[in-house]
Amino acid sequence: NAGVTQTPKFQVLKTGQSMTLQCAQDMNHNSMYWYRQDPGMGLRLIYYSASEGTTDKGEVPNGYNVSRLNKREFSLRLESAAPSQTSVYFCASSEMWQTTYEQYFGPGTRLTVT
Amino acid sequence: KQEVTQIPAALSVPEGENLVLNCSFTDSAIYNLQWFRQDPGKGLTSLLLIQSSQREQTSGRLNASLDKSSGRSTLYIAASQPGDSATYLCAVGNSGNTPLVFGKGTRLSVIA
Repeated sequence: NAGVTQTPKFQVLKTGQSMTLQCAQDMNHNSMYWYRQDPGMGLRLIYYSASEGTTDKGEVPNGYNVSRLNKREFSLRLESAAPSQTSVYFCASSEMWQTTYEQYFGPGTRLTVT
Repeated sequence: KQEVTQIPAALSVPEGENLVLNCSFTDSAIYNLQWFRQDPGKGLTSLLLIQSSQREQTSGRLNASLDKSSGRSTLYIAASQPGDSATYLCAVGNSGNTPLVFGKGTRLSVIA
């Protein structure tokens, strides 16, 4: 049981390049999330998927697209990377546990855009 | 719009002290609240989760309390150790299976 896994762990892009961040969970969770973490800003929600086949924008969706490929996988795509997208990206998933929902986080992807 | 504030932003204490980290939120109609620990360059580890109907949760030397009506939660760490040095994040869920709203964290240093 690996929990939430993310690939790659580190990435350096040049401005204008594109890439896809991959996320997978093996806990059979319905809901998945993408957050970014910047110094002094805390974690902010980019997109989330309440269930397979649905996605919704979060606080900072501009410049990103997402795909909920199946129940396990939720990918985040940067079509044309910008230096402002330099950040640490975390994927998370959640499901009912006992009587409430608890979120579990992946180890993060550290992205630098030059 | 829910906003979460954590005070102080940074805290340095000698080993063995008991300490309290504070979290406040603007909308008291929360579903639950989670406390996380984050070590430098690492991901988030869930420490405690409090449902809106609960007043506190305990795990080992950690105790988290919740006062919904006043919009506050505290994380109490007893007998602090250097291994407790990390950033502690508070996050609230406004309804069941929805994204969390995070505070900016408190960076804790426990000095041996």
